[in-house]
Parts: sequence; structure tokens; C-alpha cells
Amino acid sequence: KNQVEQSPQSLIILEGKNCTLQCNYTVSPFSNLRWYKQDTGRGPVSLTIMTFSENTKSNGRYTATLDADTKQSSLHITASQLSDSASYICVASAGRGYQKVTFGTGTKLQVIP
Amino acid sequence: EAQVTQNPRYLITVTGKKLTVTCSQNMNHEYMSWYRQDPGLGLRQIYYSMNVEVTDKGDVPEGYKVSRKEKRNFPLILESPSPNQTSLYFCASTPSNTGELFFGEGSRLTVL
Repeated sequence: KNQVEQSPQSLIILEGKNCTLQCNYTVSPFSNLRWYKQDTGRGPVSLTIMTFSENTKSNGRYTATLDADTKQSSLHITASQLSDSASYICVASAGRGYQKVTFGTGTKLQVIP
Repeated sequence: EAQVTQNPRYLITVTGKKLTVTCSQNMNHEYMSWYRQDPGLGLRQIYYSMNVEVTDKGDVPEGYKVSRKEKRNFPLILESPSPNQTSLYFCASTPSNTGELFFGEGSRLTVL
């Protein structure tokens, strides 16, 4: 059974600090891994997409890493801002197409002044 | 503006009263899909469609129907809603070349 597990479930950090969110996945055959940001009550928005051959991808202050051997990914947020407060969801896709996706339950990040 | 539009955004209904949640995208994406989001469970896929007239079940299809008669529209139909279908629903479209999901703003459904 395909699974995606994220940790921690929730996190509180001070504005300006860095943080790292973790994602472990068991998806076969692995196609790609994505991180999404979801503000409360809104639809998720894509941050990064990584395929099997990619190790790192950045999007501004967000940097995602992927280790296909250990089936782990991380999302590092640098110099956090209050607007980073949201849920961050890890999504793994299986197979050749993009439609069979498995979502993690998300990490709820709160950035405080 | 490129977007995925869902309607209604909020709906309260009663058990057994058929309802349809519409989803429309203006990006000419081939793939479309529906998800429900429940506390502690994350997003779960209900149905997906790889193209017009091609649909398939996701992980939690029971109690739902879909149709894809046109490329831009992918309505979600609840023939006989039950309280366990109370949830936040998201429609998404996906271009075939990247696999990135573009989500709508969500439809919060309450079944009494």
C-alpha cells in the first residue's frame, strides 16, 4: 500500500528562523514527489516537484531535497516569515501517469513574531 | 487568469438529496481529479480523469459519481449524500507534461 508520512505534525517557530519538514514515502513505482503549501481554508499550491533523478530543488526561500534510496524528502524553509504559516503537504506519485497520488497528512507550521 | 473554479463553495444539505459540485478549468489541462480533505486524514483521491470520457476510481470513490463530457468540466455528483460525506472537497487539474496539481478553492459540504 502506498503511504506518505510527514513529521512533525505541527511546528511553531520564531519569525526569521529556519526549519525543516520531513517526508517519508513508500510509493511504487515511484514517479515524482511534490511539496504543496496550503493556507487555512484554501486550496494547496505547488512549491516544488522532483523526479527520481533530482536531489534538490529550490523555490525562493523553500528548498526541497529528495533521497530516492532512503525514500525520504525534506523541505527547508529559510528566514521564515509570518506568511509561511500554513500546512505543508508532501505528495508522492506512482506509475507513469500523474494521477495516482498519495498525500501526507501535512505539517502545520506556525510562525510567530 | 488561469484557474480552477468550483461551485458551490459552501453547501449545507440533508441526507439523500442529490447534489452536484461543479469544477471548471481554463488551462486546457488533460487531467482532472477530485479529493476530499478530512481532519487527521489529509487529502484522499475520489476520482480522476485522464481525458474526455475517461474516468477512473481513486482511493475513496464510494458514494460519488463523476463525468467528463468536456475537457474543461469535471462535476462531482453525490446521488444520495450521507453525513459521512461531510467534508472539504477539492477539484484539481493537471497538465500532462508536468504532473503539477492546480487546485480549486474548495467546496465545504455539510450533510445533515
